[in-house]
Amino acid sequence: ETGVTQTPRHLVMGMTNKKSLKCEQHLGHNAMYWYKQSAKKPLELMFVYSLEERVENNSVPSRFSPECPNSSHLFLHLHTLQPEDSALYLCASSQMTGTEPEAFFGQGTRLTVV
Amino acid sequence: GQQVMQIPQYQHVQEGEDFTTYCNSSTTLSNIQWYKQRPGGHPVFLIQLVKSGEVKKQKRLTFQFGEAKKNSSLHITATQTTDVGTYFCAGRSSGYSTLTFGKGTMLLVSP
Repeated sequence: ETGVTQTPRHLVMGMTNKKSLKCEQHLGHNAMYWYKQSAKKPLELMFVYSLEERVENNSVPSRFSPECPNSSHLFLHLHTLQPEDSALYLCASSQMTGTEPEAFFGQGTRLTVV
Repeated sequence: GQQVMQIPQYQHVQEGEDFTTYCNSSTTLSNIQWYKQRPGGHPVFLIQLVKSGEVKKQKRLTFQFGEAKKNSSLHITATQTTDVGTYFCAGRSSGYSTLTFGKGTMLLVSP
């Protein structure tokens, strides 16, 4: 395992539903990321949190709402999604400085919006 | 903001042929990393390059960092079917910054 755990692994939701994706890292990292991966855009950065503060928001629609309550947990709250939001959502964590610079990815949540 | 571009987007080779993917940044990088994502999997870290002109090897994989620290390449010698996947580069503009990923190069190897 990578030390980054995402739940659920698969999610099917209707366009009127509200759901949340969860990410937890056990690596002591201070930065966490949400990525969207689809056939059209292989790895699209959505949000970055550094030291629990959002430092990057790549023009993501407001129907996606991130939350980072502490350095180990990251959520992505979903509401009134569209079918084109169906994709693999990947969480990653990294240390902003230091000797372990690489990002560790979770196994992703495969989201289908119907 | 910083942009990282990768080419080609896709390459299909016969087993035994060589493969190269190129990464270019709009800004000078502090370091660059390479990741591999197998089909159905998640990106996994391969290597980091830090120094100008640095070359590192991992078995059949050769990674290079350009002299100007704005470009990088990954070369695979004599590809095998196990090399199938998408290869991503990711760059940092400074020692304390977030990673910017390229869009990746998908490699397909036919036996």
